[in-house]
Amino acid sequence: DQQVKQNSPSLSVQEGRISILNCDYTNSMFDYFLWYKKYPAEGPTFLISISSIKDKNEDGRFTVFLNKSAKHLSLHIVPSQPGDSAVYFCAASARSGNNRKLIWGLGTSLAVNP
Amino acid sequence: DAGVIQSPRHEVTEMGQEVTLRCKPISGHNSLFWYRQTMMRGLELLIYFNNNVPIDDSGMPEDRFSAKMPNASFSTLKIQPSEPRDSAVYFCASSFKDRASEQYFGPGTRLTVT
Repeated sequence: DQQVKQNSPSLSVQEGRISILNCDYTNSMFDYFLWYKKYPAEGPTFLISISSIKDKNEDGRFTVFLNKSAKHLSLHIVPSQPGDSAVYFCAASARSGNNRKLIWGLGTSLAVNP
Repeated sequence: DAGVIQSPRHEVTEMGQEVTLRCKPISGHNSLFWYRQTMMRGLELLIYFNNNVPIDDSGMPEDRFSAKMPNASFSTLKIQPSEPRDSAVYFCASSFKDRASEQYFGPGTRLTVT
């Protein structure tokens, strides 16, 4: 049973336009959310995060929005660049005692076309 | 500054053989995570360590899998005996314990069991 769901396995966007990647979660105990980016033959790399006390976090071209009532978050990339083509993973965590672990979505493969 | 180092990068072995995957975390990080990635199940956390102590091994699929962290700079994941369904990419990641959600991944080991 997937607690973190990325319902779109792939997304194709034109260079310069906005890319919107979506993620839904089921566990109301999650209080920290992250996006990771993965290129082929490499490990995932941390991109941006958001705490549940916020509804928006922005870092350059990347913005993450959190809608707690809908248990939904999204990653916006504006403007999209060909180098953004990668698999994007949504992850969520909840504190368990003094420890945390990440629960991951299956990923969305983004293709940005020149 | 070296990132997380994993070896080997690729491993092809026959069913029934023992497989040992190795990981060197980023110096100074005190949490270490082993993940398995498959197409069907995405990124699954197998086990993680804080300060070399296993904290949560609930993701280890069965007794054939074992992991050790004898010191702060080295960890192994062993599969004995290996089976074809163990074929996957295995990632090691490390982080600071108080920032356990922001993990740094190694390049992964692609394991093929024939």
